Amino acid sequence: SAVISQKPSRDICQRGTSLTIQCQVDSQVTMMFWYRQQPGQSLTLIATANQGSEATYESGFVIDKFPISRPNLTFSTLTVSNMSPEDSSIYLCSVDAGYEQYFGPGTRLTVT
Amino acid sequence: AQKVTQAQTEISVVEKEDVTLDCVYETRDTTYYLFWYKQPPSGELVFLIRRNSFDEQNEISGRYSWNFQKSTSSFNFTITASQVVDSAVYFCALLFIMYSGGGADGLTFGKGTHLIIQP
Repeated sequence: SAVISQKPSRDICQRGTSLTIQCQVDSQVTMMFWYRQQPGQSLTLIATANQGSEATYESGFVIDKFPISRPNLTFSTLTVSNMSPEDSSIYLCSVDAGYEQYFGPGTRLTVT
Repeated sequence: AQKVTQAQTEISVVEKEDVTLDCVYETRDTTYYLFWYKQPPSGELVFLIRRNSFDEQNEISGRYSWNFQKSTSSFNFTITASQVVDSAVYFCALLFIMYSGGGADGLTFGKGTHLIIQP
């Protein structure tokens, strides 16, 4: 199993600013994922982050808007850049450990 | 491309009734995993079950049971004798396994079913 923590748990940010979300795992994992859950919606995969390589972004998500770092096998960050109210969502970090998919508690972002 | 359909947007039942949540998936791959997650109002995702594409055995865990049928591409979830604490949004999800390197792609989620259990 894997235990995942995220920081911050929630934040309220102003339009035009950026927020970096941290994801920490208690064990080394190869694959980490970032998801977005807009209010009342399902989860949508933003990107896959593997250590030592560039993140792979899903259709509709771009690196300039959602830059991702993966400096080691237990940590990743997602930045939401130049925020607008449409970015208000829950952002979740996830890891794959032997095809078990574990999720962090999420970061609830509100953009005003 | 993968797709997961949860046609039931919202279901409301009275406590102690049985309820089945439907999940239909689409994939061209032969190797994949199916998941069910529960998301209570607090927002965290609670893992309920994982089933791989080669295991069609149904599973029962307490009041929960799952029926996996590859012939109809369905992975339905039944709660027996529902309780108010079962009220949540339930997501069905599909995981595609990449052959190259054996890694896993991200999950494809259905839109979720909001289950309301009335006392």
